Amino acid sequence: DAGVTQSPTHLIKTRGQHVTLRCSPISGHKSVSWYQQVLGQGPQFIFQYYEKEERGRGNFPDRFSARQFPNYSSELNVNALLLGDSALYLCASSLKGSNEKLFFGSGTQLSVL
Amino acid sequence: AQSVAQPEDQVNVAEGNPLTVKCTYSVSGNPYLFWYVQYPNRGLQFLLKYITGDNLVKGSYGFEAEFNKSQTSFHLKKPSALVSDSALYFCAVRDMGNNQGGKLIFGQGTELSVKP
Repeated sequence: DAGVTQSPTHLIKTRGQHVTLRCSPISGHKSVSWYQQVLGQGPQFIFQYYEKEERGRGNFPDRFSARQFPNYSSELNVNALLLGDSALYLCASSLKGSNEKLFFGSGTQLSVL
Repeated sequence: AQSVAQPEDQVNVAEGNPLTVKCTYSVSGNPYLFWYVQYPNRGLQFLLKYITGDNLVKGSYGFEAEFNKSQTSFHLKKPSALVSDSALYFCAVRDMGNNQGGKLIFGQGTELSVKP
């Protein structure tokens, strides 16, 4: 079975632009979470979705938004990009999203110039 | 607020020697603790978790972790290190706050280097 897939793998944007990152969870997994990993730091929680509803939100500005589709795939949108948004964005899926282990994708490396 | 700390940025071990990667936590209530490993240019991979029960948790690739409530620690251990164990290791705790879903709070990470 395929693991968690994310697209694109790399992305370069300029300040003020917006970006959409995509994630396909493992087949059968209904929960998707998004994390931001800045170089040299641990991942920071952005959102969690379960059964297409938002179940958790991290301490990120409203420029960050996400949604989950009926097939359980997910998109993360970031508007009005700042230099500080440059990071590795990780998507993780799980069956239910509570105390289970998370399966992470390889991430999207976003560079904002 | 829940938090985890990894006091060592880097751990160096010779192949075949035992290794320990340290983690301490701060939570209100019973902690749900995890260890993940990250190889270069890859996402994180689950190693093990502690929810309840036996204080010694066995995980993937021969790793284990010992939960110590009195010392609020959850150190990762392996009896005999391999060069292929060289990677970035993250300790994490489940955030039990309201509207946090399955949110994990990660430590800063510890770079493990195993030399032949």
